[in-house]
Amino acid sequence: AQTVTQSQPEMSVQEAETVTLSCTYDTSESDYYLFWYKQPPSRQMILVIRQEAYKQQNATENRFSVNFQKAAKSFSLKISDSQLGDAAMYFCAYRSFYSGGGADGLTFGKGTHLIIQP
Amino acid sequence: EAGVAQSPRYKIIEKRQSVAFWCNPISGHATLYWYQQILGQGPKLLIQFQNNGVVDDSQLPKDRFSAERLKGVDSTLKIQPAKLEDSAVYLCASSFGREEQYFGPGTRLTVT
Repeated sequence: AQTVTQSQPEMSVQEAETVTLSCTYDTSESDYYLFWYKQPPSRQMILVIRQEAYKQQNATENRFSVNFQKAAKSFSLKISDSQLGDAAMYFCAYRSFYSGGGADGLTFGKGTHLIIQP
Repeated sequence: EAGVAQSPRYKIIEKRQSVAFWCNPISGHATLYWYQQILGQGPKLLIQFQNNGVVDDSQLPKDRFSAERLKGVDSTLKIQPAKLEDSAVYLCASSFGREEQYFGPGTRLTVT
């Protein structure tokens, strides 16, 4: 079974600064997807960014980028120019690329609470 | 485009009572997921449906939890009888094929 570990329960950053959230995972599979989800107090999970393991290029979405190190099984999220609206819980998640019978549920880490200081 | 709808948003029950949650996925999404999110943890998959068939229910406590998806659209998750440790947010998500999963706002259950 796959596991996802987020070792930072809480991170704080000044508005307009850059912050990096860490995530490591354990898997024996060679092909998979990795995701970062944002969960504001409203509880609705919002996809921030996704990475396919077979792609060497790191994914980027505007101010959000990842550092994907496949050999190290590391998948960190960098948020540049932090904004007050970025404050939320951030979850790292894993999904198998090939799954028996079509099962493709996400495996989540415990999350990192990101605080933005004005 | 309407998102994933869930109801109720909040529910408080006493232990040993029963409760049901409803989910309406995005139109056209064949795959539907139920996740349980206990306070301070990430969501955990309970069950996955493909149309009205179960794909994965390996983490569903089948002695007290049940779920159905009639006609491959709406889904209901039931707990009977509830225990204190069932207090959590129950999230429903849907997807089109193997693309992104879209999440609903969740139902916060408190068991007293």
